[in-house]
Amino acid sequence: AQTVTQSQPEMSVQEAETVTLSCTYDTSESDYYLFWYKQPPSRQMILVIRQEAYKQQNATENRFSVNFQKAAKSFSLKISDSQLGDAAMYFCAYRSETGANNLFFGTGTRLTVIP
Amino acid sequence: NAGVTQTPKFQVLKTGQSMTLQCAQDMNHEYMSWYRQDPGMGLRLIHYSVGAGITDQGEVPNGYNVSRSTTEDFPLRLLSAAPSQTSVYFCASREDRNTEAFFGQGTRLTVV
Repeated sequence: AQTVTQSQPEMSVQEAETVTLSCTYDTSESDYYLFWYKQPPSRQMILVIRQEAYKQQNATENRFSVNFQKAAKSFSLKISDSQLGDAAMYFCAYRSETGANNLFFGTGTRLTVIP
Repeated sequence: NAGVTQTPKFQVLKTGQSMTLQCAQDMNHEYMSWYRQDPGMGLRLIHYSVGAGITDQGEVPNGYNVSRSTTEDFPLRLLSAAPSQTSVYFCASREDRNTEAFFGQGTRLTVV
């Protein structure tokens, strides 16, 4: 099984500032997807952003953007202009394009936004 | 559009009891899966299905059974509950292998 590592169990950011969450993964495949999911206290898993490995351009969704470094197997999430509603657990996830292509998750980073 | 619906939202079981966690989706998705979420461990795949009548094991299948008799439903059965199965359980579905997964709101299960 693929390994997804999130080395920051907790992070904090001041409201309106920028924060970067780290994620690395281990795979021998060349085609795959990477995701960031947000889990607020409601427990709902919400897709934040998605990146296809074959795309060199980094994905962006409003205030959320990624830095995808394929050779380094790194996939960090940048949140700009942080808002109180961004406070949540963030999970990085990997999905192969081959085989059963299920999601493999990291252990998560808890983000606190300080007013 | 209800999406992915899990019932119950909370459950307390005694060791040795059996129960079924229900998962239903109304999006006609082929792919469905069950995950468990434990503190410090992220989400781990229990079982999955790529269509009605087809199921397979994930990372942590022991102690759980699944079946997929219809496209809409994918129940997870705990055969004989153990305290180690105390967790939050998520069901997810997606249309096909290239699309995003939609998650239910989870079931918090406590086994005492």
